[in-house]
Amino acid sequence: NAGVTQTPKFQVLKTGQSMTLQCAQDMNHNSMYWYRQDPGMGLRLIYYSASEGTTDKGEVPNGYNVSRLNKREFSLRLESAAPSQTSVYFCASSESPGRGSTDTQYFGPGTRLTVL
Amino acid sequence: SQQGEEDPQALSIQEGENATMNCSYKTSINNLQWYRQNSGRGLVHLILIRSNEREKHSGRLRVTLDTSKKSSSLLITASRAADTASYFCAILRRSNTGKLIFGQGTTLQVKP
Repeated sequence: NAGVTQTPKFQVLKTGQSMTLQCAQDMNHNSMYWYRQDPGMGLRLIYYSASEGTTDKGEVPNGYNVSRLNKREFSLRLESAAPSQTSVYFCASSESPGRGSTDTQYFGPGTRLTVL
Repeated sequence: SQQGEEDPQALSIQEGENATMNCSYKTSINNLQWYRQNSGRGLVHLILIRSNEREKHSGRLRVTLDTSKKSSSLLITASRAADTASYFCAILRRSNTGKLIFGQGTTLQVKP
């Protein structure tokens, strides 16, 4: 099992460019998440998908869109990149949300994005 | 903020010593989890403690939870250089769809 995979590992964009970060998991998890991590800060939730076909905003959704393509894949799109979006982006998945579940999350290796 | 807040922000110890990190939060929780992040890598789940539990052990890790004080601590005993990493607490709120709220982390350096 590869767990959670993310592509690309590194990316440099110019202000105004667009790009899509890809995430896939092979653990048959229902829920998937996108976070950003900035220096000296914890992780902040951008968007999440509690199950296939649903997506919801997290703490910092502005400037981002997501697509839950199928149960395995959850992509994050920056339509018009800004320097403030320079960050490390992590995708995560968990078995299921809510009662009865531990909601332990499994993380990908991250994408380091620089916007010039 | 309902975010977990961790203390200290940074900790430097010698190999063999114990390391204690603390996490405080402001809301009612379903569970509290601790994660480790090695430099340049993703987070790895270490241990979970439910709101009705007071203490859990996993190998050299001991976690305590005091819901009356809304605080948790992570103790790493007999630390090793390989324990050098950042450690994050994350809370799952009681009324929640699975979203975790992460603290800012404690950076632990274990000197050989």
